[in-house]
Amino acid sequence: SQTIHQWPATLVQPVGSPLSLECTVEGTSNPNLYWYRQAAGRGLQLLFYSVGIGQISSEVPQNLSASRPQDRQFILSSKKLLLSDSGFYLCAWSATLGGSHNEQFFGPGTRLTVL
Amino acid sequence: GNSVTQMEGPVTLSEEAFLTINCTYTATGYPSLFWYVQYPGEGLQLLLKATKADDKGSNKGFEATYRKETTSFHLEKGSVQVSDSAVYFCALSGNFNKFYFGSGTKLNVKP
Repeated sequence: SQTIHQWPATLVQPVGSPLSLECTVEGTSNPNLYWYRQAAGRGLQLLFYSVGIGQISSEVPQNLSASRPQDRQFILSSKKLLLSDSGFYLCAWSATLGGSHNEQFFGPGTRLTVL
Repeated sequence: GNSVTQMEGPVTLSEEAFLTINCTYTATGYPSLFWYVQYPGEGLQLLLKATKADDKGSNKGFEATYRKETTSFHLEKGSVQVSDSAVYFCALSGNFNKFYFGSGTKLNVKP
């Protein structure tokens, strides 16, 4: 069966420090991968998605970046964190076969607090 | 473009009450529609889905019908339990399986 992992689970970082969040998927090949951010009490904002290794699409301009160095690994990074980067970061995957009718499967999330 | 609008929360109900959470959408093409549930501090879990008009998705007593004529996908449950307290998200899928989520509706069920 497929599983999705995110780490760390929680993170407290000072303003201006770098960030690296990691997401890995097991039990499937060539998944679509997604990063979302959820601000406190708010909905989900799609940040990046990837349909293959090295293929990243950004949905909103910001100081975050994403990379996909391996088929089932998706990394969210920042060189210098801002206070507004605080939130709950969720990684998700979906199968590529079946087009737009596939559900997305979400990881457990990373709670990031920037102080 | 694609968008989803959900009713504002929080919704507070007594145990065994009937639940409706409204969801309407705007979409190009023929998207699939989904309801996800999020418990405190956790990721999202798929609750149910419908892939075409007039389909009814159902799971754990929840159901929703894909209504193309009213562009709606309202979530219903006949008798809620305290354990149903969570945040519920309506979503539609677009190109590259990108999801467009509503803002979420928090449900509080009191014993």
